[in-house]
Amino acid sequence: NAGVTQTPKFQVLKTGQSMTLQCAQDMNHNSMYWYRQDPGMGLRLIYYSASEGTTDKGEVPNGYNVSRLNKREFSLRLESAAPSQTSVYFCASSVAQGHSGNTIYFGEGSWLTVV
Amino acid sequence: SQELEQSPQSLIVQEGKNLTINCTSSKTLYGLYWYKQKYGEGLIFLMMLQKGGEEKSHEKITAKLDEKKQQSSLHITASQPSHAGIYLCGADSYSGAGSYQLTFGKGTKLSVIP
Repeated sequence: NAGVTQTPKFQVLKTGQSMTLQCAQDMNHNSMYWYRQDPGMGLRLIYYSASEGTTDKGEVPNGYNVSRLNKREFSLRLESAAPSQTSVYFCASSVAQGHSGNTIYFGEGSWLTVV
Repeated sequence: SQELEQSPQSLIVQEGKNLTINCTSSKTLYGLYWYKQKYGEGLIFLMMLQKGGEEKSHEKITAKLDEKKQQSSLHITASQPSHAGIYLCGADSYSGAGSYQLTFGKGTKLSVIP
């Protein structure tokens, strides 16, 4: 009953360090997403992948890169972490991005602190 | 882009009391989603509504979408401590060329006092 699995759950980085958040889904979904959640800002879309082989910028893409490795996996990379990237990151997936009634299912979140 | 207003921002209720959370938009809500988030955990999908006047229930939680499809409410009957958490609404907004984009409200934090 895995659904969307993301790792690591917690990470502390120093400013300038790089890291990759991993995400995998086992629901055979076409679309995958990375969101960040900050107090008072709600959920904001960083990048999404509507289907295998495609990726697109969301609302707040600066400072991040993504890779849709295959249909199951979608990773988020911080090349040079900044304190402003301290946040909770959620990976999510759905059957088909861009359609109404397209329910998105979320992972459990990754708590990232940049010091 | 569509903005979703959730009210109230936070709510503290006594166990056993009923409560309602609202999600309002100035634009038509094509798909409306309710999620629950417990502190330190991910978002759990509760319900999706699409048709004006639609109502769905799951255990003691009922969600409705008004006829004009601009407001949704989430009603919890006889609240329990297990209902505590942050409730978020999300909605599809039409972004053109037959495509929809999902946006979220900022959430309502619910505390239930035993």
